[in-house]
Amino acid sequence: NAGVTQTPKFQVLKTGQSMTLQCAQDMNHEYMSWYRQDPGMGLRLIHYSVGAGITDQGEVPNGYNVSRSTTEDFPLRLLSAAPSQTSVYFCASSLYYVSSGEQFFGPGTRLTVL
Amino acid sequence: QQQVKQSPQSLIVQKGGISIINCAYENTAFDYFPWYQQFPGKGPALLIAIRPDVSEKKEGRFTISFNKSAKQFSLHIMDSQPGDSATYFCAASQDGTSGSRLTFGEGTQLTVNP
Repeated sequence: NAGVTQTPKFQVLKTGQSMTLQCAQDMNHEYMSWYRQDPGMGLRLIHYSVGAGITDQGEVPNGYNVSRSTTEDFPLRLLSAAPSQTSVYFCASSLYYVSSGEQFFGPGTRLTVL
Repeated sequence: QQQVKQSPQSLIVQKGGISIINCAYENTAFDYFPWYQQFPGKGPALLIAIRPDVSEKKEGRFTISFNKSAKQFSLHIMDSQPGDSATYFCAASQDGTSGSRLTFGEGTQLTVNP
């Protein structure tokens, strides 16, 4: 199993550009989520999904879109990048409830918006 | 508003010493409290977790102490080793009809000197 994979590993954008961060998992997990990690703020939930076709907002959803067309993939779209979106982004997956088992994190995407 | 507050922000311990990281939460509906360990350039990985019906859980050198009345929990690392140097995050979650959402603390950067 590859676990949770994320691409790209690094990305530099200009203000106003759009892009999609890719996330895939091969563990047949129903629950997938996106976090951003900023210094001194821990990880904050952006969006999450409890299954194909079902998504919901997390703590900091503004400026981001998600969709879940398959169990395996959960892409995160930045509609119009802003410098405030400079961060490290982590995708994670787990069974339906986090407490049912481990939530596995991907290696992260480091995004810089100029 | 940070629902899970973590301290200290950074911690330096000598090899063989005890590392203690504390967390406090506000939402009494939280029912699962994991600790994550993160090495530079990697995603967080589950270290140990506890449910509120238990006051202590030990796995090897790692122990969680849980005080439900005070709404506090802590991670103790016994016989700390240089390989334990990493960032540690406490978290809390609540299972619901839309899966569960993890709320993270701000993180503690632990350095264990040889």
